Amino acid sequence: ETGVTQTPRHLVMGMTNKKSLKCEQHLGHNAMYWYKQSAKKPLELMFVYNFKEQTENNSVPSRFSPECPNSSHLFLHLHTLQPEDSALYLCASSQLTGPGREALTDTQYFGPGTRLTVL
Amino acid sequence: AQKITQTQPGMFVQEKEAVTLDCTYDTSDQSYGLFWYKQPSSGEMIFLIYQGSYDEQNATEGRYSLNFQKARKSANLVISASQLGDSAMYFCAMREDTGRRALTFGSGTRLQVQP
Repeated sequence: ETGVTQTPRHLVMGMTNKKSLKCEQHLGHNAMYWYKQSAKKPLELMFVYNFKEQTENNSVPSRFSPECPNSSHLFLHLHTLQPEDSALYLCASSQLTGPGREALTDTQYFGPGTRLTVL
Repeated sequence: AQKITQTQPGMFVQEKEAVTLDCTYDTSDQSYGLFWYKQPSSGEMIFLIYQGSYDEQNATEGRYSLNFQKARKSANLVISASQLGDSAMYFCAMREDTGRRALTFGSGTRLQVQP
């Protein structure tokens, strides 16, 4: 496996279900990200992890619970979601270059996404 | 105010012709980075090209080049010799010099290459 992988690729769940999204990066990167892409809205950052530590939470509702056990794996645990949470959830990773100008060039590489439908 | 504006929701181009996708941005930082990504219907966001605000030359990567006009705060993507496989959504994104790693994305442009 190369790059960033995500499973499952498609997920349909009811509002009372509990499910988890998985992301794995094979690039030796130190930072991982969750983004949400809804129809007709720009890509929205949800969480950032640097060296397994959460460094950003973009005011995400608590029904989304991230977990980063190591620099290669990232999970998004879902519970009691709402239909408006239906979206494409993208995971990304980056080397975490820096500081200074190097930090600006820190390119994020994305996985194929999980298309989530909440009924 | 939006930080990244892509004013073209959709564009058409004939195969083998060049096309320019527009991107304007808003920041008060002196140092920032600009990225372009391609998203085919499969969903994956594919990194195409990077331009630093401090770079004196426009970035180029194969058939992709950036027309970077700092004073106008624009970073337009130019795709030369379009191919059918270039049909996709294209997103412009920016990272400001705030120490945050997050990228701010535009709303995207859907490019369709016609044979």
